[in-house]
Amino acid sequence: EAGVVQSPRYKIIEKKQPVAFWCNPISGHNTLYWYLQNLGQGPELLIRYENEEAVDDSQLPKDRFSAERLKGVDSTLKIQPAELGDSAVYLCASSSSGVNTGELFFGEGSRLTVL
Amino acid sequence: DQQVKQNSPSLSVQEGRISILNCDYTNSMFDYFLWYKKYPAEGPTFLISISSIKDKNEDGRFTVFLNKSAKHLSLHIVPSQPGDSAVYFCAARGFQKLVFGTGTRLLVSP
Repeated sequence: EAGVVQSPRYKIIEKKQPVAFWCNPISGHNTLYWYLQNLGQGPELLIRYENEEAVDDSQLPKDRFSAERLKGVDSTLKIQPAELGDSAVYLCASSSSGVNTGELFFGEGSRLTVL
Repeated sequence: DQQVKQNSPSLSVQEGRISILNCDYTNSMFDYFLWYKKYPAEGPTFLISISSIKDKNEDGRFTVFLNKSAKHLSLHIVPSQPGDSAVYFCAARGFQKLVFGTGTRLLVSP
């Protein structure tokens, strides 16, 4: 079974440029998460989707960040414009609502460097 | 306000000995606690979990202990192996989302 797939793995951009990250969750997982991981910190939730609905986006900086999950499968996270402080790893995770243990399956992450 | 804390940023252990990683939390509404393991340039991978209604869960070399009165959990790895060298994150589930600690880097030397 394929795991959570993210792309690109690495991205270097100049500040004020836009950037987008893509995530394909595990087949059949209806819950999808975007987490932000700064250096030396644990992952922090940005947004959670149940199918195509964003049910928790309270931590998403909506002035520059946006996300979508069309058709309840793949998801895209966009930053426009990027700032120096956005340099981090962006992790996508998915889970099945039928599993009540809280286990999330993570992708390898997209490392963003803003110059 | 950090709800999940891992106060030890690093831990060094010799191969074959026990590794004990600790985690403290503040929110009594958390219903599940999980440990994740992370290698460099990879995403976190699930290791073991425990429900808030239990005090111990064991899976092979890994055991998680939960002390609800102290709001404390620990992960025991026995015996430790060099391949266990990684960053370990404690996570707690509340309101359908996971809150992570800052991680403990474990180094198991041969």
